[in-house]
Amino acid sequence: DQQVKQNSPSLSVQEGRISILNCDYTNSMFDYFLWYKKYPAEGPTFLISISSIKDKNEDGRFTVFLNKSAKHLSLHIVPSQPGDSAVYFCAARITGNQFYFGTGTSLTVIP
Amino acid sequence: KAGVTQTPRYLIKTRGQQVTLSCSPISGHRSVSWYQQTPGQGLQFLFEYFSETQRNKGNFPGRFSGRQFSNSRSEMNVSTLELGDSALYLCASSLTGTSNSPLHFGNGTRLTVT
Repeated sequence: DQQVKQNSPSLSVQEGRISILNCDYTNSMFDYFLWYKKYPAEGPTFLISISSIKDKNEDGRFTVFLNKSAKHLSLHIVPSQPGDSAVYFCAARITGNQFYFGTGTSLTVIP
Repeated sequence: KAGVTQTPRYLIKTRGQQVTLSCSPISGHRSVSWYQQTPGQGLQFLFEYFSETQRNKGNFPGRFSGRQFSNSRSEMNVSTLELGDSALYLCASSLTGTSNSPLHFGNGTRLTVT
């Protein structure tokens, strides 16, 4: 049972434009959400997080939005850069330190 | 500060054998988690250790086990390997695992079972 879903396997965006990556979840008990970026042959790199008590968190070019009523999470990257091309995973925590991950969205930023 | 270190990077084993993977967390991090990544399933939670105790366990068979040492280093063991165990095994550490502290991943161990 996939409790965290990333329904878009891939996304292409022009350099300088906004990239929006989406994530949906089913369990209302999730209390902490993370976004990761992953390059081939490397482990996921932490990007940004948000607690369930907030609806927005910003860090430089990255902003995460949380819509609890819709059980929807999104990551905005503005402006997108070619170096942002990677696979992006969202993750949600339920109890203790157990996280459920989405299956990833491959972002390609076209120069 | 050094990141999470996993050894070895690559392993090739034969079906029926056992394997041990090692993980050194970021200094000061007390929680260590293990995840399995396969192409179709994404990252699946195996287990989490905190202060040498397994605190959470995912939905994997008992062939998958782990432990954590007093210096927070962790090992994961898979016995009686099956072809389906071929995957990237990722270790992640976090500060406490109870507050909102993110997971920090190593580069993984790529296990191939033939």
